[in-house]
Amino acid sequence: QKEVEQDPGPLSVPEGAIVSLNCTYSNSAFQYFMWYRQYSRKGPELLMYTYSSGNKEDGRFTAQVDKSSKYISLFIRDSQPSDSATYLCAMIMNTGNQFYFGTGTSLTVIP
Amino acid sequence: EPEVTQTPSHQVTQMGQEVILRCVPISNHLYFYWYRQILGQKVEFLVSFYNNEISEKSEIFDDQFSVERPDGSNFTLKIRSTKLEDSAMYFCASLWSGDTQYFGPGTRLTVL
Repeated sequence: QKEVEQDPGPLSVPEGAIVSLNCTYSNSAFQYFMWYRQYSRKGPELLMYTYSSGNKEDGRFTAQVDKSSKYISLFIRDSQPSDSATYLCAMIMNTGNQFYFGTGTSLTVIP
Repeated sequence: EPEVTQTPSHQVTQMGQEVILRCVPISNHLYFYWYRQILGQKVEFLVSFYNNEISEKSEIFDDQFSVERPDGSNFTLKIRSTKLEDSAMYFCASLWSGDTQYFGPGTRLTVL
């Protein structure tokens, strides 16, 4: 069983739509959860991080963690064409440890 | 804004040759990492480095790989004898503390 599962998509939405991206994981030891955005041929860029269960909002982005279900989500409101990228979830057990990444979901926002 | 830099951006080499990928982490960071991403696949952890020694490594990081922090600024990944399957994007990342690793733009390694 993979540590982190993420639907690779591709996902295509019209501009202004709400986007929901999700990951599930199997190891209950994960405590810190991140979302990265990766443009083609670029390095991952940190968008959001959360510790343990709960919600965190930053502008148009909301990250949710449900540790009881081992499920994390990223919501993008009022999606823009510039949001078109691959979104990677990542998680770690403790500070300094390796990150476990999902495969990434490819998102295209159509103007 | 400080950033992680990597050189070269693209490296082409012959199978069996040695390559060294270079990274300059953010200056006050303490933890350093190498990841790789084969085209179309997930980002995979290779190794982490803290206090001048390897703190964690994956199964991918075999005897063909080594890391070094030769001075106060550079962090290098050496692949001793490259194989075709080493072709990938290699990302360096660094962390000061907490949980947010900052990634460099990557080096694309092509092994012919």
